[in-house]
Amino acid sequence: EAQVTQNPRYLITVTGKKLTVTCSQNMNHEYMSWYRQDPGLGLRQIYYSMNVEVTDKGDVPEGYKVSRKEKRNFPLILESPSPNQTSLYFCASRSTGTSGFSSYEQYFGPGTRLTVT
Amino acid sequence: AQSVTQLDSHVSVSEGTPVLLRCNYSSSYSPSLFWYVQHPNKGLQLLLKYTSAATLVKGINGFEAEFKKSETSFHLTKPSAHMSDAAEYFCVVSRDNQGGKLIFGQGTELSVKP
Repeated sequence: EAQVTQNPRYLITVTGKKLTVTCSQNMNHEYMSWYRQDPGLGLRQIYYSMNVEVTDKGDVPEGYKVSRKEKRNFPLILESPSPNQTSLYFCASRSTGTSGFSSYEQYFGPGTRLTVT
Repeated sequence: AQSVTQLDSHVSVSEGTPVLLRCNYSSSYSPSLFWYVQHPNKGLQLLLKYTSAATLVKGINGFEAEFKKSETSFHLTKPSAHMSDAAEYFCVVSRDNQGGKLIFGQGTELSVKP
């Protein structure tokens, strides 16, 4: 089954304790992305990756890191989490082409609900 | 810059009545437009997408949307609401030269009363 998986699904942690949220896709997609969802703001992009070893900032990258060492995996790293990073996080992936790839559907993971106290 | 505005944060309808969720977009180029749905405690699912092929787009579960360039709108409709339609709906725009980044509206929560 084609899917994007995230782990953990729920996480409660304390300020300053480093954490990693994993994301994996089995569709051989080149493009992967992280979003955070906050009430009344929709989803906002944190980081994205066009392919292995190619990453770039989205709209709200402060306080986050990512890496793309393998095509299927795109972990989100919070080196020193703070309470304002309490949110619902989604990983997404899609295929890319030479053009018109903005029309391709993005597939979303189930989400990770993070609480930082 | 691109942006998306969903005109209603909450819409309430009775089961069997029509649904209208409104979305306006701002884009200097021909955008790709999507509607995604998020059921409680679930991920996001694509309802439909517009990619310049046809202005009236049909999606899953009886939903459809019409692209109106003159009004910069992409409203989502369904003739008859079902209880299972209760969810949050997002209007989304994307374009190639931003890596295909999705720009989300604020979301519209749809409630369906029996």
